[in-house]
Amino acid sequence: QVQLVSSGSEVKKPGASMKVSCKASGYNFISYHLHWVRQAPGHGLEWLGTVNPHGGSTTYAQTFQGRLTMTTDTSTSTVNMELSGLKFEDTAVYYCTRVRSYCSNGVCHYYFDSWGQGTLVTVS
Amino acid sequence: SSELTQDPAVSVALGQTVRITCQGDGLGRFYASWYQQKPGQAPTLVVYGNDKRPSGIPDRISGSSSGNTASLTIAGAQAEDEADYYCNSRDSSGNQYVFGTGTKVTVL
Repeated sequence: QVQLVSSGSEVKKPGASMKVSCKASGYNFISYHLHWVRQAPGHGLEWLGTVNPHGGSTTYAQTFQGRLTMTTDTSTSTVNMELSGLKFEDTAVYYCTRVRSYCSNGVCHYYFDSWGQGTLVTVS
Repeated sequence: SSELTQDPAVSVALGQTVRITCQGDGLGRFYASWYQQKPGQAPTLVVYGNDKRPSGIPDRISGSSSGNTASLTIAGAQAEDEADYYCNSRDSSGNQYVFGTGTKVTVL
């Protein structure tokens, strides 16, 4: 079955960088884009961006342009998400999630069918 | 606009029906998906493509859409349906994904 397992919790200082990894298994890694979503304590879900494991192209949320980097390692079926210039408000659980598509009338629509367990990053 | 707006909280009596709505400009072009999140857990997909249920999701949960509004209906709510629910779609440009503000569903 599809599994996404992310790295362990981290504590970081303001201004530092964080790197969270997500290892995929149970499916053809390069066939599905992976996205990152975060959730600050007591808050809702926030989309960060996406990476295509086949080629490494990325799209980032405008809010994070310039301090977010997503990479892939096809040899280990792992995606990495690095956020620099950490602020207190970056404290959150960071989830990786796989996207699938449903196409209708020439337009494709996307949804997140599998999620990792989440990684808590605390900026303190 | 890059926002998807949901009511913050709704309550429903056990066995009754509740509908959650999600409004946003992109919904006129892109389909919505819905996610259920229980405390301390990752979200799980409950509806995709506006109205399709993944396997394993009970048929008391259904989705629909009209214009710029997507809806999630729980008919005959059960205690295990108590959770936060988030919609998701792309913004009107199609380049960015956005989650709704979330709705907390309480089953009384």
